[in-house]
Amino acid sequence: DAKTTQPTSMDCAEGRAANLPCNHSTISGNEYVYWYRQIHSQGPQYIIHGLKNNETNEMASLIITEDRKSSTLILPHATLRDTAVYYCIVSNRGGGADGLTFGKGTHLIIQP
Amino acid sequence: DGGITQSPKYLFRKEGQNVTLSCEQNLNHDAMYWYRQDPGQGLRLIYYSQIVNDFQKGDIAEGYSVSREKKESFPLTVTSAQKNPTAFYLCASSINRLAGKETQYFGPGTRLLVL
Repeated sequence: DAKTTQPTSMDCAEGRAANLPCNHSTISGNEYVYWYRQIHSQGPQYIIHGLKNNETNEMASLIITEDRKSSTLILPHATLRDTAVYYCIVSNRGGGADGLTFGKGTHLIIQP
Repeated sequence: DGGITQSPKYLFRKEGQNVTLSCEQNLNHDAMYWYRQDPGQGLRLIYYSQIVNDFQKGDIAEGYSVSREKKESFPLTVTSAQKNPTAFYLCASSINRLAGKETQYFGPGTRLLVL
């Protein structure tokens, strides 16, 4: 699986959009980009994933650059409950059928 | 409610003792996984199972064992051979279909402490 690079931590004001970047310059053509988040002392929660096109769901939007070497997770109206560690994962392994590799992620802190 | 349950929430182990962590899911998922998380670190894969009666080693399987006798259950045993077992253990499951089509759903975790 391709390696990802994320900032260690980020701050965002409550009510504003939180934009979390991820670099995956060695991504291959059949690898998807996944985002999970983990609130302190809980299990990770799936947010969104994509291959080439931008994706949006009820939680977030995923913007993938045309060369697929980087992506941005957007939380449109951040709340205090969005404070968590956000993991960007690149994988072609059956969408997780044989496990995902989680790095250290980005600790997003939403400020009141 | 559908979901994944792990028990206990906290578990204490004495030196040289085997302990078993429970993971149950009622999501009718085929695949199940065990991860370990150390403080300030990401998750590392211990074992995974894509189907009943079959399982594979992950990145850090040494000192651990699993079984998959039922679709709903994937217990993890931390053996005395695991020299540094203190960690947060997370179980997950997924439907296990086509690449990129599935996501993993995680349980609440078990925190194991060695006395």
